[in-house]
Amino acid sequence: TQLLEQSPQFLSIQEGENLTVYCNSSSVFSSLQWYRQEPGEGPVLLVTVVTGGEVKKLKRLTFQFGDARKDSSLHITAAQPGDTGLYLCAGSNYKLTFGKGTLLTVNP
Amino acid sequence: KAGVTQTPRYLIKTRGQQVTLSCSPISGHRSVSWYQQTPGQGLQFLFEYFSETQRNKGNFPGRFSGRQFSNSRSEMNVSTLELGDSALYLCASSLEVSGRNTGELFFGEGSRLTVL
Repeated sequence: TQLLEQSPQFLSIQEGENLTVYCNSSSVFSSLQWYRQEPGEGPVLLVTVVTGGEVKKLKRLTFQFGDARKDSSLHITAAQPGDTGLYLCAGSNYKLTFGKGTLLTVNP
Repeated sequence: KAGVTQTPRYLIKTRGQQVTLSCSPISGHRSVSWYQQTPGQGLQFLFEYFSETQRNKGNFPGRFSGRQFSNSRSEMNVSTLELGDSALYLCASSLEVSGRNTGELFFGEGSRLTVL
């Protein structure tokens, strides 16, 4: 069974702060995806990382795939209330396996 | 381009009843996956359909079933409902490129099922 552990489970911060959330596994994945889910909606794909060590930036969000393709991190700079949501990582091999997510609350 | 559409959005059933949920994928997407989301277990994979055939299946009992039609629309059915089946059921579609699934999922807003 391929498991993805996300940490922290909950994170509450003030607007303007920086944060990093983590996604770890003992399994190697061919690619890894990050999704954000807002209340009452389905998850929305943010990014896909494929190569070990890869770094992708999406405005204030920076995603990194570990060298061994077992882990990933998401860093948000100067968080805003609009960043509030459940951040899910998902590792892909023959099927997609989701972590349980990090619930981020950014307070104004 | 219309997104993934799921119906109904909300429904309440009682134990022992059955339920059918519907999903219309993005036009051109032939792969449809279903997930169950609960606070305790997170997103758990139910099954994936492609060209009317079940391609992958998760670890759920036989009470959970699905099908896909020729227009790629999909339905899932849960029979003999239990309290623990209360969850958000999410459908996602994805695109095949040159015979390979891109692996990038586009989710609907989900159907929230409450079993009393």
